[in-house]
Amino acid sequence: QQQVKQSPQSLIVQKGGISIINCAYENTAFDYFPWYQQFPGKGPALLIAIRPDVSEKKEGRFTISFNKSAKQFSLHIMDSQPGDSATYFCAASQTGNQFYFGTGTSLTVIP
Amino acid sequence: DTAVSQTPKYLVTQMGNDKSIKCEQNLGHDTMYWYKQDSKKFLKIMFSYNNKELIINETVPNRFSPKSPDKAHLNLHINSLELGDSAVYFCASSRGYEGYTFGSGTRLTVV
Repeated sequence: QQQVKQSPQSLIVQKGGISIINCAYENTAFDYFPWYQQFPGKGPALLIAIRPDVSEKKEGRFTISFNKSAKQFSLHIMDSQPGDSATYFCAASQTGNQFYFGTGTSLTVIP
Repeated sequence: DTAVSQTPKYLVTQMGNDKSIKCEQNLGHDTMYWYKQDSKKFLKIMFSYNNKELIINETVPNRFSPKSPDKAHLNLHINSLELGDSAVYFCASSRGYEGYTFGSGTRLTVV
């Protein structure tokens, strides 16, 4: 059973556009929601994370929006750049327990 | 540099062979993991060790055996390799279950 559902599977965006990746979860005990970025040939790296006490967190061009009632969270990449082309994973966990990863989104930013 | 390092980066071997992948972290983390990433990029947890104790042992063939000689090391030994074992294997570590740090992966190809 997939604990975290991620969409879309792939995404193509023009340079300067907004990339949006969505995730949904069922377990209301989850209280930590990170996003990971993976470049080809590299391991996933923590990009940004949020806890459910806030609805939004922004770091540079990357923003997490969190909707606790809908049990959904999303990653927005503003002014997308070719260097953002990578695979993005959302994840969820309950503090002190293992992470559950989404299935990944392959983002391609076209110059 | 503080990191999670795993060796080798590439491993090509014949069916039926036995091979090991080594992982070391110098981050002072107390929990270490092995993940398998298939061709569709899906990250599947295999094992988790906390302070040298096996915590998570997902449904993985018993040909796969993790060994943790100390908190900083988690090795993966695979017996009787099969074609379906071909994948990228990632080691990761965390303090408790926060802030996973991944290694750069070992691409295993079984021929």
